[in-house]
Amino acid sequence: TQLLEQSPQFLSIQEGENLTVYCNSSSVFSSLQWYRQEPGEGPVLLVTVVTGGEVKKLKRLTFQFGDARKDSSLHITAAQPGDTGLYLCAGPSGGGSNYKLTFGKGTLLTVNP
Amino acid sequence: DTGVSQDPRHKITKRGQNVTFRCDPISEHNRLYWYRQTLGQGPEFLTYFQNEAQLEKSRLLSDRFSAERPKGSFSTLEIQRTEQGDSAMYLCASSLLGLANYEQYFGPGTRLTVT
Repeated sequence: TQLLEQSPQFLSIQEGENLTVYCNSSSVFSSLQWYRQEPGEGPVLLVTVVTGGEVKKLKRLTFQFGDARKDSSLHITAAQPGDTGLYLCAGPSGGGSNYKLTFGKGTLLTVNP
Repeated sequence: DTGVSQDPRHKITKRGQNVTFRCDPISEHNRLYWYRQTLGQGPEFLTYFQNEAQLEKSRLLSDRFSAERPKGSFSTLEIQRTEQGDSAMYLCASSLLGLANYEQYFGPGTRLTVT
């Protein structure tokens, strides 16, 4: 079973601070996806990383895939209250043709004004 | 808006009642997934369809749960004889076979509360 562990589980910071959250596994993933979920809503896809060592930027968010494709990180620069939410990483784990996603438990980020 | 839609958004039911949820995927997507999410957890896979065929069911999906996708478009998830442990957010996602990197797009979810 491929598991994804996310850390920290909770993070509360002030507006303008920088932060990094992590997604780790002992298994290799062909790709990893990052989602953000707001209370009472479904996850919204932010980015997919595919190549080991890949770095992708989405405005103030920087995503990195580890060289061995077992881990990923999300760095947010100058966090804003609108960044508040649950950040989930997920990877395909079905094998064969089933690309079901395995999710981590998420990092709950609160950005205080 | 042509995203994934789910209905209802919220459902409160008494233990022992049956409930049915509907998911309408992105129109050109041929794969449809159901997940369940409880408080403090990430979504967990329940089942998936490719077109109208249900190809895999998780062990989480007891025989009280049934899912259909009769014409390869919308899908329904029915829970019979609901139990308090069924209280959760039920999420539907869709993807396009062959879409690079297995990207799935989620609906807003149906929040089920069993009293």
